[in-house]
Amino acid sequence: DAKTTQPPSMDCAEGRAANLPCNHSTISGNEYVYWYRQIHSQGPQYIIHGLKNNETNEMASLIITEDRKSSTLILPHATLRDTAVYYCIVSIGTSYGKLTFGQGTILTVHP
Amino acid sequence: EAGVTQFPSHSVIEKGQTVTLRCDPISGHDNLYWYRRVMGKEIKFLLHFVKESKQDESGMPNNRFLAERTGGTYSTLKVQPAELEDSGVYFCASTSAGAYEQYFGPGTRLTVT
Repeated sequence: DAKTTQPPSMDCAEGRAANLPCNHSTISGNEYVYWYRQIHSQGPQYIIHGLKNNETNEMASLIITEDRKSSTLILPHATLRDTAVYYCIVSIGTSYGKLTFGQGTILTVHP
Repeated sequence: EAGVTQFPSHSVIEKGQTVTLRCDPISGHDNLYWYRRVMGKEIKFLLHFVKESKQDESGMPNNRFLAERTGGTYSTLKVQPAELEDSGVYFCASTSAGAYEQYFGPGTRLTVT
């Protein structure tokens, strides 16, 4: 699986958009970009995934650059409950893909 | 719909003892994964079941770890004998065939003293 690079920590004000970057310059053509988060000591939670097009769901938006070497997860209106560790993961996708977690980005949302 | 459940939530055992962790995936999910996070480290993949078959066990650390999934439903992960470095949080995840997102359980916190 391709390696990803994320900033170790970020801050965001409540109600503002949180933009979390991720570099995955060695991503291959059949690999998807996934985002998961872990709130406190709970199990990781799936957020969103994409291959090359931008994606949006009820939780977040995923913007993938045209060369697919980087992406940005956007939480449009961050709340205190969004404080968590966010993981950007590259995987071959579907049910065959084991997830390779890195250190992630600790996002702290401030009042 | 019930989520992925794991039992026990916490386990404290002495070095050399045996512990069995259990994971109940979401009903109908053929794929079941085990991961763990040991202290200060990243979450690491252990193995992947498709129904009752081991699809990928490349992450199993050594032969003290035995995973089973009889009947393709729940799974157990046995550690025998436990060592101090096995302490950590063990997560189970499941997903249906062809799906992309893995659903994680709350984890079992294992402490070996």
